[in-house]
Amino acid sequence: KAGVTQTPRYLIKTRGQQVTLSCSPISGHRSVSWYQQTPGQGLQFLFEYFSETQRNKGNFPGRFSGRQFSNSRSEMNVSTLELGDSALYLCASRGGGLQETQYFGPGTRLLVL
Amino acid sequence: EDQVTQSPEALRLQEGESSSLNCSYTVSGLRGLFWYRQDPGKGPEFLFTLYSAGEEKEKERLKATLTKKESFLHITAPKPEDSATYLCAVRVSGYALNFGKGTSLLVTP
Repeated sequence: KAGVTQTPRYLIKTRGQQVTLSCSPISGHRSVSWYQQTPGQGLQFLFEYFSETQRNKGNFPGRFSGRQFSNSRSEMNVSTLELGDSALYLCASRGGGLQETQYFGPGTRLLVL
Repeated sequence: EDQVTQSPEALRLQEGESSSLNCSYTVSGLRGLFWYRQDPGKGPEFLFTLYSAGEEKEKERLKATLTKKESFLHITAPKPEDSATYLCAVRVSGYALNFGKGTSLLVTP
């Protein structure tokens, strides 16, 4: 079974721009969560989508948003980029229901200049 | 507030030198404690889930245990390929995971 895939793997943007990251979950998985990983803060939960609905949201500003499509693929958008948004953005998929193990993708490395 | 603290931050072992990594947590009602391994440039790889005090799980040279306040990841006779960052996380609201900062393990030949 193919794992979680994320595109692009690397991205360089400048302050004020916006960016969209994509995540394809493991086949059959219906839940996708997004996390931000930085050296200072570690891994922090952004939000979770299940069946195209946001089910949970972490403590991040409204510049961070996401959506999920009917095929369970998910996108995350960050508007008005700041230098502090430079991070590894990780997507994790979960089967749904009582299946709670989250399987992570390789991440998208975002650098904001 | 839910907190997860891992220690030590970094650990260097000789091949074959067993040791333990610690994950202490304060949560209001544990709904699962997770261990992941992360290699440089990759996403975290799932290792174990523990739910209740006294529970233990094993996989090759790794053994995870859980008490009411902390979890240990015991590494027996480690090999260089066990070098990685080991992350501990607790499930908080919904299915969100609250992660510790991790322990960076280096095993030298």
